[in-house]
Amino acid sequence: AQSVTQLGSHVSVSEGALVLLRCNYSSSVPPYLFWYVQYPNQGLQLLLKYTSAATLVKGINGFEAEFKKSETSFHLTKPSAHMSDAAEYFCAVSDGNQGGKLIFGQGTELSVKP
Amino acid sequence: EAGVTQFPSHSVIEKGQTVTLRCDPISGHDNLYWYRRVMGKEIKFLLHFVKESKQDESGMPNNRFLAERTGGTYSTLKVQPAELEDSGVYFCASSQDGGHGYNSPLHFGNGTRLTVT
Repeated sequence: AQSVTQLGSHVSVSEGALVLLRCNYSSSVPPYLFWYVQYPNQGLQLLLKYTSAATLVKGINGFEAEFKKSETSFHLTKPSAHMSDAAEYFCAVSDGNQGGKLIFGQGTELSVKP
Repeated sequence: EAGVTQFPSHSVIEKGQTVTLRCDPISGHDNLYWYRRVMGKEIKFLLHFVKESKQDESGMPNNRFLAERTGGTYSTLKVQPAELEDSGVYFCASSQDGGHGYNSPLHFGNGTRLTVT
């Protein structure tokens, strides 16, 4: 069975600093992995996805994530945080053959300090 | 194109009452999903429609929840009777392709925040 663990429910960084949000997964099949972002009072928006092509995946708004099979990780990074990055971020894995059925992590709230 | 629309955005009801949530997917999206986030917990899958058919309803908590998608367009999720533990945010999402969201990503609505008192 698939599962996702996000380390840290809250992460705070200064504007301009590196953003690192951690995600570890468990999957009995080759996983499809996703990062979603939720801004206040909005729905979830896809940041990026890994579908067994390149292990380094680039997404929107300068975010990227690296799939590391040996570490079962899919951490999200951004070199320089912007105030507008403040949001909640969710890592997710698709459930086997049903790509639209996602298993989410608990979410990480990112705060960006001026 | 219009996104996924959910009504209402907020609902406050008393325990034992009935509430119906509505989701209008993006036009042409055959696949429709319901998810729920109970406060402090992760977002969890409830069910998946392909057109008007329930493809997977393994995440539905119990028989107090009834989802429909008549005509394969909009969907409703009824909770009857509502209990305190039903409080949370209910998200709807749609996708274009055959349920494989990794080829066609899920588009989420803004959610309905349900509070049962």
